[in-house]
Amino acid sequence: RKEVEQDPGPFNVPEGATVAFNCTYSNSASQSFFWYRQDCRKEPKLLMSVYSSGNEDGRFTAQLNRASQYISLLIRDSKLSDSATYLCVTKAAGNKLTFGGGTRVLVKP
Amino acid sequence: DARVTQTPRHKVTEMGQEVTMRCQPILGHNTVFWYRQTMMQGLELLAYFRNRAPLDDSGMPKDRFSAEMPDATLATLKIQPSEPRDSAVYFCASGSRPLEDTQYFGPGTRLTVL
Repeated sequence: RKEVEQDPGPFNVPEGATVAFNCTYSNSASQSFFWYRQDCRKEPKLLMSVYSSGNEDGRFTAQLNRASQYISLLIRDSKLSDSATYLCVTKAAGNKLTFGGGTRVLVKP
Repeated sequence: DARVTQTPRHKVTEMGQEVTMRCQPILGHNTVFWYRQTMMQGLELLAYFRNRAPLDDSGMPKDRFSAEMPDATLATLKIQPSEPRDSAVYFCASGSRPLEDTQYFGPGTRLTVL
């Protein structure tokens, strides 16, 4: 079992709709959490950090549930440019990031 | 706009050959990471350095892989001898305290071993 699990998708989303997906993590010592975005044949890029109180960045909302050990990402008013793979990432003590396998999102006109 | 650079971007080689991949971290970043990405395994950490010293290479097959930082502006990842199962995209990333949580990835080296 992987340390960070994600539904691989794809999530097919009509343009303008809302999409949400989760990831679960098994390491209870995880201290920091992130969402990275990876476009096809490109490198991963930090989308946003995830804070215990939940946080928003424009159309993106991230939530953390430590008790159940899951993280969620919600995208409102989806744009075609939101089509990408979203990687859930955790960090325990030290500097090692642990990446999930990614959730693929396809926004269609 | 500072970026991590990697060379080569693509490499096709035959089994048994030595492969060297290079990475130039963002100037001033003191932490460098090497990752491998495949469809089956996703993104895996191979090794990382802080201030040029190797901190963790537990994810790296020791018999054929080696990672070094000859200086602060260059990190290398070598595979000798290469095998078809090494075919993957190899990413280098760099980070800087106090924001080491944020890692900036290079464009990757797409390696194919025939």
